[in-house]
Amino acid sequence: DQQVKQNSPSLSVQEGRISILNCDYTNSMFDYFLWYKKYPAEGPTFLISISSIKDKNEDGRFTVFLNKSAKHLSLHIVPSQPGDSAVYFCAASSRLEGGSEKLVFGKGTKLTVNP
Amino acid sequence: DVKVTQSSRYLVKRTGEKVFLECVQDMDHENMFWYRQDPGLGLRLIYFSYDVKMKEKGDIPEGYSVSREKKERFSLILESASTNQTSMYLCASSLGHPGYTFGSGTRLTVV
Repeated sequence: DQQVKQNSPSLSVQEGRISILNCDYTNSMFDYFLWYKKYPAEGPTFLISISSIKDKNEDGRFTVFLNKSAKHLSLHIVPSQPGDSAVYFCAASSRLEGGSEKLVFGKGTKLTVNP
Repeated sequence: DVKVTQSSRYLVKRTGEKVFLECVQDMDHENMFWYRQDPGLGLRLIYFSYDVKMKEKGDIPEGYSVSREKKERFSLILESASTNQTSMYLCASSLGHPGYTFGSGTRLTVV
C-alpha cells in the first residue's frame, strides 16, 4: 500500500516556465515532507522541506505548498532551467521512538526542461 | 557538510556470489539506511539501523543482510546474488529529523 504517491512519472516544460510536481499521501501522522532531486548515477540530494504545521516554504526558485486537508503537496520551480532536469522524489517523514525518523518515498517524477 | 561514502560506484558480480556493499559516514550519525532504486519503483527501503549492532528490516529485506559493527559504517550483504538484485543501491544517514543525506550510489549488475 503506497503511502506516498507521485502520479505523474514524467513532466516536460519549456525553459523559463513554471514546473509543478505533485505528491499525495495517505498517513496523517507524517510531520515533515521533503523533496529530493536525483541525477542519473548519483545519489538523491535534498532540495526543500516543509513542516506539517505550515502551508508554504520558499527557497529561491523552489516553493513547496502543503494542503493538509487534501493530503497533497506540490513543488513549484520558477523559472525552470535545463539544469533542473532530473528525477524528483517526494518523501514523507514520521518520527519514531527515540527521536529517529523514517522516510517514505514516492516513485519519482522525471522532469525534463527543454531549452 | 555530512559526507556519506559508498565504496564502489559500479560493481559487476556473478550469480551466486556473496556481495558486500560498504557505506561510511563521517558525521557521527546514529541512523543509517540502505535503499535500492529501480525504474518505476522509486526508492525502496531494504534495512536500517538506529545504533551500532542494531538492525531493522525495511520493506524488501529478502535476500539481504546488514552489519553495523561501528557507528560510521553500515554494510549491505547479498548472501547469494541473483539477477533480480541488479539495481542502484543507495546508502543514507541521518542525525534525527528531518531528512537524510545520501551517498552517490552503487550500480550493481549481477550476471
